[in-house]
Amino acid sequence: DQQVKQNSPSLSVQEGRISILNCDYTNSMFDYFLWYKKYPAEGPTFLISISSIKDKNEDGRFTVFLNKSAKHLSLHIVPSQPGDSAVYFCAGNYGQNFVFGPGTRLSVLP
Amino acid sequence: DSGVTQTPKHLITATGQRVTLRCSPRSGDLSVYWYQQSLDQGLQFLIQYYNGEERAKGNILERFSAQQFPDLHSELNLSSLELGDSALYFCASSVGSGEVDTEAFFGQGTRLTVV
Repeated sequence: DQQVKQNSPSLSVQEGRISILNCDYTNSMFDYFLWYKKYPAEGPTFLISISSIKDKNEDGRFTVFLNKSAKHLSLHIVPSQPGDSAVYFCAGNYGQNFVFGPGTRLSVLP
Repeated sequence: DSGVTQTPKHLITATGQRVTLRCSPRSGDLSVYWYQQSLDQGLQFLIQYYNGEERAKGNILERFSAQQFPDLHSELNLSSLELGDSALYFCASSVGSGEVDTEAFFGQGTRLTVV
């Protein structure tokens, strides 16, 4: 049972445009969500998070939106840059562990 | 640099063998998490230790075991290795026991290749 789903394995966006990465979850126990970015041959790095009591969190070019009723969150990157090309993992947190989605590979084309 | 150190970075071994992966958490972090990332799969949570004790268990095979030592470093032992165990193994650490609002910081991973 996949508790965290990222249904788009890959996404290509033109430089300067908006990138929207989507994540759906099934576990109502999640009360904190995180996005990680991963470059090849490196460990994932923390990008941005959101508590379940909020519906939006913004940090520079990155904004995460949470729709609890739909069990859906999204990461918006504006404007997209070539250096944003990476795999993005969505994760839900409850209790003592983190449950990750399978990741979405973002390619930002110059 | 996340502050989490994993060794070795690469490991190639034969089927049936046993290997040990090592993780040193960030200074001050008490929790260590182990994850496996296989081809085309997301990060799979294996196991968590908090201050030396097992705290949570995920999809960890019986052939795998882990421990956290008094100095808080952790080792993941993989035995009777199979080709399907080839993957990237990540270690992460966090300050607390994994309660809400705790980010986990990841090491660079150990790439295990079983031949």
